[in-house]
Amino acid sequence: GAVVSQHPSRVICKSGTSVKIECRSLDFQATTMFWYRQFPKKSLMLMATSNEGSKATYEQGVEKDKFLINHASLTLSTLTVTSAHPEDSSFYICSARDPQNVRPYEQYFGPGTRLTVT
Amino acid sequence: AQKITQTQPGMFVQEKEAVTLDCTYDTSDQSYGLFWYKQPSSGEMIFLIYQGSYDEQNATEGRYSLNFQKARKSANLVISASQLGDSAMYFCAMREGGGYQKVTFGIGTKLQVIP
Repeated sequence: GAVVSQHPSRVICKSGTSVKIECRSLDFQATTMFWYRQFPKKSLMLMATSNEGSKATYEQGVEKDKFLINHASLTLSTLTVTSAHPEDSSFYICSARDPQNVRPYEQYFGPGTRLTVT
Repeated sequence: AQKITQTQPGMFVQEKEAVTLDCTYDTSDQSYGLFWYKQPSSGEMIFLIYQGSYDEQNATEGRYSLNFQKARKSANLVISASQLGDSAMYFCAMREGGGYQKVTFGIGTKLQVIP
């Protein structure tokens, strides 16, 4: 099946700094990628939908100036958490759709990035 | 109202037995789809099974089957012949409308398989 990677898998940063998380589709071109946030023992919350070559669509309540999303190519989307605070500590997961998939509803998930802000 | 409801925070099942994980959903769309994902302790989300609202037969994928009861708005996951490796969090999710974009997840059920 299709593979989505995320980098880094874990990151610790100091409060006030910014951190970038990369999401890559390794063997397919993803016109659409999704960014989720998961709190401990909680569900996945969709943060934004990232479309290649256009601005991301953010879900209600998600600060677009804090969570910057860039989808510069068909295989890469990045999420930058700006001026991070401890409450931004979470598990961030990206997913991608392969438009060539015979099952167009299927999303391929990355392994996730554990962000800890100290 | 919750779009996806999973009422079982935790479930235990004996190895080799079958287990049903419950999921009910709420939507006013005629076209929608229901998913089940598995999340092991390592964190990655693994797609298990999908049921479209217009699919007349229940979806099956190996040991996984989806008991789709449209009138009751339920989409329970049945895992047959449970294995130790099935121990994980299981999430029910739904897409609405004609597109395949946004997916809403339930809060999950933690399944533990007992040897």
